[in-house]
Parts: sequence; C-alpha cells; structure tokens
Amino acid sequence: KAGVTQTPRYLIKTRGQQVTLSCSPISGHRSVSWYQQTPGQGLQFLFEYFSETQRNKGNFPGRFSGRQFSNSRSEMNVSTLELGDSALYLCASSSGPVNEQFFGPGTRLTVL
Amino acid sequence: AQSVTQLDSHVSVSEGTPVLLRCNYSSSYSPSLFWYVQHPNKGLQLLLKYTSAATLVKGINGFEAEFKKSETSFHLTKPSAHMSDAAEYFCVVSDRTGNTPLVFGKGTRLSVIA
Repeated sequence: KAGVTQTPRYLIKTRGQQVTLSCSPISGHRSVSWYQQTPGQGLQFLFEYFSETQRNKGNFPGRFSGRQFSNSRSEMNVSTLELGDSALYLCASSSGPVNEQFFGPGTRLTVL
Repeated sequence: AQSVTQLDSHVSVSEGTPVLLRCNYSSSYSPSLFWYVQHPNKGLQLLLKYTSAATLVKGINGFEAEFKKSETSFHLTKPSAHMSDAAEYFCVVSDRTGNTPLVFGKGTRLSVIA
C-alpha cells in the first residue's frame, strides 16, 4: 500500500506570494491533518479534514487555508507569504479522526 | 483538555546501553497514546500506540512503552541503543473523541554515541 505522498517536496517563494501544497492520503483513509514544523515552535497543528469537512482548526491566521476533495486528497494554501512561514509542512492521514496518523515526508517551504 | 510533557529535550546514550525517553500526559478522557520517531529531513513514523488494551506496548525496532495511569506516564524504552536510533522522538496524546486534534509533545532528541 502506498504511503502518504506530498508534493512538491521543496519550494522556494518570495514574500507576498502565495503557495499551494498537496497531500494524497493512504488509499482508504478519509481523514487528513496538516502540521507546521519549525525549529522554534516545534510541531503545530494547522487543520484536520474528514470526508471533505474541516473538523478542527489550529491557531493560525486566515492566510492559511485548506480543503479536501471527494477522493480524500487535500490541499493547503498560504497567501501573502511571510518569512516566518518558512517551515516543513507535514500532512498525515488516518482511517478516522480517532485513529493513529501516518505522515508524509513533508514539503519544505522556504520564503525569501 | 489534554497535554503532553516530554521531560527531556535531549538524551544522549552510548551504543548498546538502554534508552529511556520520558513522557507525562494529561487528559480528561481515557486517552490513546502514541510515540513517533522523526529522522532528519523525514516525516514522522509511528513507533507504537496504546489504546487501552495491554499496558505494556511493543513497537517497531525493539522499542516498547508502558502506560501507567497512576503516574500519568507513557515512557519509551529500548534495552540496547543502536546508532540508527539517533532521531527526534515525539509523544502524542489523543482523547479518542475525535473532537480535538492530537496533541504533540515538544520532542526529545536522542543522540547515540559510538
């Protein structure tokens, strides 16, 4: 069974631009969560989707948004990028909101 | 509300000696608990999970953890460290309702000295 895939793996953007990251969950998984990981703040929860509905949202500004499609694939978007948005963005999928999560390799975003 | 405290930000052991990574949790519900490992520039990999069955949980790569409700602890152990165990380890708690997201500890960096 293929694992969680994230594209692109690396991304370089400049301040003010926007970016879209993609996540394909494990086949059959309907729950997708997104996390931001930085050396200073550690792992921070962004949002969680289940069957195309946002179930939970972390404490991030409205510039961060996401969505989930009917095939469970998910995207997250960050608008008006700031230097502080440079981070590893991790996607995780699970078969349900209470089950263990399986993580993708992450997308490394660098904002210049 | 739930929370996780990993008591050590960095642990250093010699190869072949035991590993102990400490985790305390707080949860209003009977929790599920997980340990994940992250190698440099990689995603997180599930090591083991506790979901209210046996209190001693065995995971991959020789790791195990014991759920102790009276101490609200879920420490991760391994009898003999290997160089490949050097990584960041995260303790995670879930309230099992699905209404709140997983809560991650801040991580413990394990160094293994040859």
